[in-house]
Amino acid sequence: AQSVTQLDSHVSVSEGTPVLLRCNYSSSYSPSLFWYVQHPNKGLQLLLKYTSAATLVKGINGFEAEFKKSETSFHLTKPSAHMSDAAEYFCVVSGWAAGNKLTFGGGTRVLVKP
Amino acid sequence: DAGVTQSPTHLIKTRGQQVTLRCSPISGHKSVSWYQQVLGQGPQFIFQYYEKEERGRGNFPDRFSARQFPNYSSELNVNALLLGDSALYLCASSLDPRNEKLFFGSGTQLSVL
Repeated sequence: AQSVTQLDSHVSVSEGTPVLLRCNYSSSYSPSLFWYVQHPNKGLQLLLKYTSAATLVKGINGFEAEFKKSETSFHLTKPSAHMSDAAEYFCVVSGWAAGNKLTFGGGTRVLVKP
Repeated sequence: DAGVTQSPTHLIKTRGQQVTLRCSPISGHKSVSWYQQVLGQGPQFIFQYYEKEERGRGNFPDRFSARQFPNYSSELNVNALLLGDSALYLCASSLDPRNEKLFFGSGTQLSVL
């Protein structure tokens, strides 16, 4: 079985300040982990993915995430928020034992204040 | 290049009716997956098809069915609609069933009255 918990349903940051979105996962095997972003009225876009290579993963638009097996976490960070980062972010777990289906967390809505 | 396209973008139905949603994957992609996203929640997996065969099914009732055509496009059918079926239905395509890079369409917003 696999599951994902996003620890914050809403995060509010000021433009130019760091962003931290927290994610914990549960999986009975070595998982693949992803972060997706969903802007209003747009489809989901892949930000980055972890597939058992380097534990620090760099993605698009300045985002990065660190895989910590001991803490079963995969937190997403960005050093400096931009207004265009306002969106909903989903942490996702997948794996061959689950038929490669994606299991999404509940999402974190990010608000960026000017 | 065209991305994943879904039709229609919006749909209003009444309880008990049937609905068909359509999806065209990115050219060259042979795997199509369907997800349901209820307002305020993350998407939930419904089906995956690869090379016209069902490769996975989520925890949804038999009222939900899907198929994939020889050109790799796909349809999702929902019978006997319930109010709780109101959601954004997302289609995603990938080159193969490992889903290491899924491309999502913008979805079909279904409202059941």
